[in-house]
Amino acid sequence: QQQVKQSPQSLIVQKGGISIINCAYENTAFDYFPWYQQFPGKGPALLIAIRPDVSEKKEGRFTISFNKSAKQFSLHIMDSQPGDSATYFCAATQYSGAGSYQLTFGKGTKLSVIP
Amino acid sequence: DTGVSQDPRHKITKRGQNVTFRCDPISEHNRLYWYRQTLGQGPEFLTYFQNEAQLEKSRLLSDRFSAERPKGSFSTLEIQRTEQGDSAMYLCASTPREGRVYFGPGTRLTVT
Repeated sequence: QQQVKQSPQSLIVQKGGISIINCAYENTAFDYFPWYQQFPGKGPALLIAIRPDVSEKKEGRFTISFNKSAKQFSLHIMDSQPGDSATYFCAATQYSGAGSYQLTFGKGTKLSVIP
Repeated sequence: DTGVSQDPRHKITKRGQNVTFRCDPISEHNRLYWYRQTLGQGPEFLTYFQNEAQLEKSRLLSDRFSAERPKGSFSTLEIQRTEQGDSAMYLCASTPREGRVYFGPGTRLTVT
């Protein structure tokens, strides 16, 4: 059972355009929703994160929109640049009771920003 | 560079061999995670340590897998009798508490 569904699988955007990646979750116990950026051969790096009591969070060119009732959240990358070309993962986490906040990841979106 | 280091970065082994990976987390982080990432997929949780105690293990962690974190510092992940299905990127991550999780660069395992 895939608990976090991510779309699209791949995305091509013109330089300067807006990149939008969407995620949906099923588990209402999730309480923290981060987005990770991963370049080839590297580990995922935290980009931005949101908690469900907030509907939007903006950091520079990156914005998360969160819809708790629909159980959906999305990443918007404004003024997309070629250097943003990477794979983006949405994730969700909940306290396990054993002390961990394990991340459940979506399958990823490969973003290509073309000049 | 997040401050989490992993060694080796790449490992090629023959089916049936044992392999061991090492992770050095950020020194003040007491929580350490191992994840596995296969091609085209997001990372999947394997196991969790708080200090030296292994508190949680995923169903993905079969009996052939064992992880340790002696003295609550570095951690090792051993895979015995490797299978082709074990080919993946093994990621280590650390965090001081809930919230920001720092991933290492990963160890790419190829089983031939």
